[in-house]
Parts: sequence; structure tokens; C-alpha cells
Amino acid sequence: AQSVTQLDSHVSVSEGTPVLLRCNYSSSYSPSLFWYVQHPNKGLQLLLKYTSAATLVKGINGFEAEFKKSETSFHLTKPSAHMSDAAEYFCVVSEPNAGKSTFGDGTTLTVKP
Amino acid sequence: EAGVVQSPRYKIIEKKQPVAFWCNPISGHNTLYWYRQNLGQGPELLIRYENEEAVDDSQLPKDRFSAERLKGVDSTLKIQPAELGDSAVYLCASSTRTIPPDTQYFGPGTRLTVL
Repeated sequence: AQSVTQLDSHVSVSEGTPVLLRCNYSSSYSPSLFWYVQHPNKGLQLLLKYTSAATLVKGINGFEAEFKKSETSFHLTKPSAHMSDAAEYFCVVSEPNAGKSTFGDGTTLTVKP
Repeated sequence: EAGVVQSPRYKIIEKKQPVAFWCNPISGHNTLYWYRQNLGQGPELLIRYENEEAVDDSQLPKDRFSAERLKGVDSTLKIQPAELGDSAVYLCASSTRTIPPDTQYFGPGTRLTVL
């Protein structure tokens, strides 16, 4: 069984300040982990993925995430927020051999000017 | 490269009416997913296809929902009859594979409102 918990339903930051979106997971296997972003009226888009290679993963638009097995976490960060980062972000855990993905409930990121 | 195409984008129906959603995945993607996304929640898998075969439909309410993927390309999801609780966004996604897990490419979704 697997599950994912996004610890904050809403995060608000000022433009130019760091972003931290938190994700904890539970899995019986060594999972693959993903972050997707959903802008209003747009489809979900992959930000980055961890698939058992380097634990620090770099994605698009300056985002990165670090896989910490001991903490069962996969937090998403960005050094400096931009207005265009305002969106809904989803953390996803996938079992390696079963093709099953579980989405978190999402974190809404608001960026203030 | 064309993305995942879904139609319609919006649908409003009265309860007990039937409704159908269509999805055309990215060319060459063998795996197709249908998800339901309720307001304020993450997507939940309804059914997953590998080519023409439905390999995971454990979360599909089979008394009212049905799906097909003829010829392993495009797919249709149907609800008959619709209930008020079916109001949600229905997402289609595709990928090249699921084992090991790979990127899913999502369509824009169909927003269903049941009155």
C-alpha cells in the first residue's frame, strides 16, 4: 500500500522569496516520486521526478526536490518565487512494479507582488 | 508533438442522464489513464489501459461507469445514469509505460456538472 500527504493545503509567499512545498509519503517499496503543477484551466504538467538515481532532483522553472528516505519526504523548493509560479502542486508516489500512482490532495501556491 | 486531447471541455447535464467523454492520447503512448478529480482533491484513478486491455479498473464504479479503448488508441468513458455526486473534472492521461513509472501527460480535462 502507498499513500502521500501534502502537509500544507495553501502556501503564500512574496515574489522573490523562497518556496517550500512539503510532501511525505508511505510505500512498501522503493517508490518513484513526482511533482506535477496545474495552472488554472490547464492540464497537469510534470515538474520533476525521482526514480532512484540522484536524491536531489532538478526540474523545470528552477524547482528542485530532495528525496530523503529516512524522513520519507520529497519536499519541493525554489529559491525565488515568480508570479507565474502561482498554481496547484501535486506530489505523486508510484510503486515501481505495479504501475499504480497515488496523488496527494494538492498545495495551492499564492505569490504576492 | 500534439498533447492529450479531451472533449468536451465542459458538460452540464441533469441527473439520470447519460454522458460520455472522449480522449485521444499522445501518439505512441501505450498506457492510458482516466482520473476523476473532485474539488480540492488530487486526481483519483478510475481505470488504466495498457493498449486495449483494462489492467486496473478496481476503482471504477461499474454499476454506472464504463470505458473502452478500441484499437488501443483513443478512449471513451461513459456514465449512465449520472448522479449529483459525479460532478467533477475527468482527466485523461497517457504515458509510454507504467513499469517502471514514467511521466504521465495530461489532457485539459472535462468539467462535468450534474444538476
